[in-house]
Amino acid sequence: DAGITQSPRHKVTETGTPVTLRCHQTENHRYMYWYRQDPGHGLRLIHYSYGVKDTDKGEVSDGYSVSRSKTEDFLLTLESATSSQTSVYFCAISESGRTTGELFFGEGSRLTVL
Amino acid sequence: SQQGEEDPQALSIQEGENATMNCSYKTSINNLQWYRQNSGRGLVHLILIRSNEREKHSGRLRVTLDTSKKSSSLLITASRAADTASYFCATETSGSRLTFGEGTQLTVNP
Repeated sequence: DAGITQSPRHKVTETGTPVTLRCHQTENHRYMYWYRQDPGHGLRLIHYSYGVKDTDKGEVSDGYSVSRSKTEDFLLTLESATSSQTSVYFCAISESGRTTGELFFGEGSRLTVL
Repeated sequence: SQQGEEDPQALSIQEGENATMNCSYKTSINNLQWYRQNSGRGLVHLILIRSNEREKHSGRLRVTLDTSKKSSSLLITASRAADTASYFCATETSGSRLTFGEGTQLTVNP
């Protein structure tokens, strides 16, 4: 199994509070991604990173920010959580360049915003 | 908007039968991938097929790609109870990242 660790695995928080999810990899892969998974929507890309300090927006980036200060860590921050951000969040990594190639996924972080 | 859409949404079969899932997409792709997700777990990559390929095999998996119809199918032969999972197709178009469909929930009854 690819070495990807997401933390926390479960979190319950209140509307308006900040939340940070962490993804840590031990594979030294260049690319890292944050997806959210919701019933009826499949997986949707929030943000991705193509190197340290290099990030870009995905399909559903509003209300989220990311940071990558080290190759192995990719943080997803909800500055002020809303109920619509209740979801399961998945981190993924890949090593390829011009094409995405195979993604390796973490086990997910289930976030509930009350 | 969803680039890939799986069909059917749910499929229930008996152990030993074959399972076929379909994926349709809207725009030209570089490659198409299939992933599997067990309940409560992350997705696991099964197979990647490039736009210039028509068929690929991996163990009991067979994937076909018809770019003229913008569709792909995943066939699991001689299914087992352990194949029970959700299966997702993901498409990559030029200049964009992977886009996932909503998945097919496969149940294999012992």
